[in-house]
Amino acid sequence: AQKITQTQPGMFVQEKEAVTLDCTYDTSDPSYGLFWYKQPSSGEMIFLIYQGSYDQQNATEGRYSLNFQKARKSANLVISASQLGDSAMYFCAMTFTLSGNTPLVFGKGTRLSVIA
Amino acid sequence: GAVVSQHPSRVICKSGTSVKIECRSLDFQATTMFWYRQFPKQSLMLMATSNEGSKATYEQGVEKDKFLINHASLTLSTLTVTSAHPEDSSFYICSARVSGGSYEQYFGPGTRLTVT
Repeated sequence: AQKITQTQPGMFVQEKEAVTLDCTYDTSDPSYGLFWYKQPSSGEMIFLIYQGSYDQQNATEGRYSLNFQKARKSANLVISASQLGDSAMYFCAMTFTLSGNTPLVFGKGTRLSVIA
Repeated sequence: GAVVSQHPSRVICKSGTSVKIECRSLDFQATTMFWYRQFPKQSLMLMATSNEGSKATYEQGVEKDKFLINHASLTLSTLTVTSAHPEDSSFYICSARVSGGSYEQYFGPGTRLTVT
């Protein structure tokens, strides 16, 4: 069965420091996409970054980068230069085909708290 | 990016009544929309996949007669919680993929349902 695992229920990071949020996944499907979403207290899901299973390079979007290690089935999110506004829940998610009627499967999330 | 709206954002209803939640794709067509449910401090759990012009596909354990889904057009899916009970109180969030488009799912802002 396909599964996303986030082993860190909560993380603390000092403002301006970098932080890594862990995510591992399990699938036998060769074609999949990995996502990270941020959910602040308002509840909205904010898309951060995407990595396709066939992408050769790690994805980057501004201060966010995805450390994709395919052999280890991990897709860790790295946030550089943390800001107070980064405090939120972060969800790793996966979809198992890149088209069609496939939903996202989410991990349990990691609550990040940025300390001034 | 594409925008998905949800209405209402918050609703309080009495036990035994029904409540309808609308999910609209504002600037794109979506043949498929997804409905998720999120309990406090938990992750998003897929409830059902809504397909335009056909019956929704429900996840195991989700009562199709209680959670009625109608995807009548390429821009609108509705979720009706029938005979609501306090245990139905939750955060309901929809997402949509662009028809014929890429990987990304666009999330609505969510609806917080409280059943008294």
